[in-house]
Amino acid sequence: TQLLEQSPQFLSIQEGENLTVYCNSSSVFSSLQWYRQEPGEGPVLLVTVVTGGEVKKLKRLTFQFGDARKDSSLHITAAQPGDTGLYLCAGAKNYGQNFVFGPGTRLSVLP
Amino acid sequence: DAGVIQSPRHEVTEMGQEVTLRCKPISGHDYLFWYRQTMMRGLELLIYFNNNVPIDDSGMPEDRFSAKMPNASFSTLKIQPSEPRDSAVYFCASRISGSYLYEQYFGPGTRLTVT
Repeated sequence: TQLLEQSPQFLSIQEGENLTVYCNSSSVFSSLQWYRQEPGEGPVLLVTVVTGGEVKKLKRLTFQFGDARKDSSLHITAAQPGDTGLYLCAGAKNYGQNFVFGPGTRLSVLP
Repeated sequence: DAGVIQSPRHEVTEMGQEVTLRCKPISGHDYLFWYRQTMMRGLELLIYFNNNVPIDDSGMPEDRFSAKMPNASFSTLKIQPSEPRDSAVYFCASRISGSYLYEQYFGPGTRLTVT
């Protein structure tokens, strides 16, 4: 059983469309991270959220941490082919603990 | 500044052989992590070090796996003997303590194939 669930597992969209991917758990996390991983490379950290209800924006990407700190979402506006990759969420139950990774959402943005 | 460096990038070996994966963390980072990524199990933490000392190795699959960090700029992950089910991409990551956001920086990975 995965501590973190991510949905959808796969997503294929056209350039210019908007999308949202989700990261859910029954556990409460002190902090949650989102990474993007491109083929043949290691994951790259996009954001860390630590406060329930927190919203962070990174250009066309909007990250939200749920009020209860059990879930998170990543919204991409006007997706571009360069957004293609595996999006991983990772949560830490307590500050200073290691992060546990979800299975990821594999996004493909077609030109 | 160079990122996390891993070698080799690809390794193909036969079952029963010893495999050694290498990692150089980012200079000044005092935490080092070894992860394994497979399609079935995703990204799993194997072991991590703080100031060259192993802190938690509960993710190491079995005694065939061992990891060392002889100094702050070098770590190895060894598999002996290797088995086909060890085939995966192995990542090394590092971070600095005191970082409020716990940013981990991953290397490019070593793709291991055991035939």
